[in-house]
Order: sequence, then structure tokens, then C-alpha cells
Amino acid sequence: KQEVTQIPAALSVPEGENLVLNCSFTDSAIYNLQWFRQDPGKGLTSLLLIQSSQREQTSGRLNASLDKSSGRSTLYIAASQPGDSATYLCAVRVDSNYQLIWGAGTKLIIKP
Amino acid sequence: GAGVSQSPSNKVTEKGKDVELRCDPISGHTALYWYRQSLGQGLEFLIYFQGNSAPDKSGLPSDRFSAERTGGSVSTLTIQRTQQEDSAVYLCASSWTASQDTQYFGPGTRLTVL
Repeated sequence: KQEVTQIPAALSVPEGENLVLNCSFTDSAIYNLQWFRQDPGKGLTSLLLIQSSQREQTSGRLNASLDKSSGRSTLYIAASQPGDSATYLCAVRVDSNYQLIWGAGTKLIIKP
Repeated sequence: GAGVSQSPSNKVTEKGKDVELRCDPISGHTALYWYRQSLGQGLEFLIYFQGNSAPDKSGLPSDRFSAERTGGSVSTLTIQRTQQEDSAVYLCASSWTASQDTQYFGPGTRLTVL
């Protein structure tokens, strides 16, 4: 059974720092992996999607990497800003099954 | 354009009462998903609709939970005889098709069962 874990559960860093969020999964047979952002009172927003054949994806200050063999993904945020404060969730799609298996998230606080 | 909307945004109910949660997907999206997010937990898949096909109800936690999607658009999630453990945020998402990976999420309904 696929399980997704995110560490740490919470992270607080000063503005301007680069930071890394971690996501691990137990079964390497994934279709893809996605990183989402969740703001209080709002829905989830998809940030980056990495297909199983890819190693990384970049969007602006965000870079997500995928290492299927070790069951790990990281989300790198460069030059963090207070507006980056949110909960970040990773989710894996298992093969052709449309269902997503979710981590519990990392709550990120960027201090001005 | 309009995104996925859900109503109500908050619902407080007494144990044993029935509740209905509504989801309006993005127009034209054929796939619709319901998830539950309990405090400190990841999202839990509940049910999935794709067009006129029979829904995948494999994630529903008990027979007190049911959902329907009328006319391939609006969906209603019904919880009968609510229990305190049903308290959670219920999220709805839609996508163009089931094979599309981008799911667009609504803001959720926070359900509190007293």
C-alpha cells in the first residue's frame, strides 16, 4: 500500500532564505508526483507536476525533484517571501489509477 | 473564469443530524472528486464521478456517506446520522477528464459535528 510522508510537519524560516521541503513515498511504482499549496480558507493550488520519467520541474522560484528509486521528492523554494507562507502538500498518482495518495503536508511560515 | 465553488463554507451540526454539502465544478469538467481532510492528516479520497459512468465509491468510509451528481455538473455529498469523527474539511475538485492530472480544487466545507 502506497504511503506518503512529509517531513517536517512545520517549518519557520526568515524571509530571503532558501529552503527544502521533503516528501517520501513507499512504493516507487508511481505515475507522477505533484506538489500543491494550500492557503487557509482556500482550495489547493497545483504548483508542479513531475512525471515518473522526469527528474525535476521548475516554475519561477520553485524547483521540484524526483528520485523514484529512493522514493523521495523535494520542493526547493529560493529566496523565500512572506507570501510563500502556506501548507505544502505532495501527492502521488499510482500508475494509471487516477487516485492521488496524499502526504499530510508541511506548514511553512516565512517571517518578515 | 469561475473556479470550483462549494457551499456552505462552514457547517456546524449536532451529532445524529444529516448534512448536505454542495460542489459546483468548473463548467465543462467531466471528472469530479470528493476528498476529506481531517486535522493533521492528508487528503482522503471519498468518491469520483466521470461523465455518465457509475461513480467510484470505494473511498466512502461508511454507508452513512453518499453522493450524487446531477446532469453531469453539480454534486452533493450527503452524510447521514453524523458522528463527531465526521468533523473535517470536505474538498471537491474537478478536471477536464480523468486522465488530466490537473485537478482544480474548491475552497472546501468545514464540517463540525458537536
